[in-house]
Amino acid sequence: DIQMTQSPSSLSASVGDRVTITCRARQNINRNLNWYQQKPGKAPKLLIYAASSLQNGVPARFSGSGSGTDFTLTINSLQPEDFATYSCQQSYSTPWTFGQGTKVEIK
Amino acid sequence: EVQLVESGGGLIKTGGSLRLSCAASGFTFTYAWVSWVRQAPGKGLEWVGRIRSKTDGGTTDYAAPVKGRFTVSRDESKNTVYLQMNSLKTEDTAVYYCSTEGFNYVWYFDFWGQGSPVTVSS
Repeated sequence: DIQMTQSPSSLSASVGDRVTITCRARQNINRNLNWYQQKPGKAPKLLIYAASSLQNGVPARFSGSGSGTDFTLTINSLQPEDFATYSCQQSYSTPWTFGQGTKVEIK
Repeated sequence: EVQLVESGGGLIKTGGSLRLSCAASGFTFTYAWVSWVRQAPGKGLEWVGRIRSKTDGGTTDYAAPVKGRFTVSRDESKNTVYLQMNSLKTEDTAVYYCSTEGFNYVWYFDFWGQGSPVTVSS
């Protein structure tokens, strides 16, 4: 199984801040990396696929980068609705695996 | 509008069985690959298993912790995917989501149901 590790596990930020979340794969996964946003009691929502492609309808303040083993999700100008948990997921090989999640909280 | 609606969750004793349903609408079900993903209380997301579309053979894959105990199946006449869970353990306690797998250079989970909670108690 491909282990995915996110950092940090949580962070506090203010509205308007730029936030960066990192995801590292145990082995090379090329660009087979997706990012999801999840709010309490709700299903995850796809934000970014193939490391940097924005899913339809997702605001442009979200962006992704990276390839191989190291990936980044950036949120520019954090908005009140962005406070949530973000998870990465590899789709290089089954079993699909997720990072443990990064909780973005209000400072 | 794509909709996935799970049902069938509840409280069950260890060793028991439960079947979850995922009713799909708003897209061509025949071509859909559907996965089940679970989330234990306070934990991250864990992929459970999936079923390919009928046109791609309808075959299944499973995560190691559930292989041999869980079975994913589909009924084209009802546009529904099922997760049959047998020999349940306390560590199977989670919210179970069904999700369609989309593909655009890579696979991803594009649409999700609202989740069905399962509690396994001894």
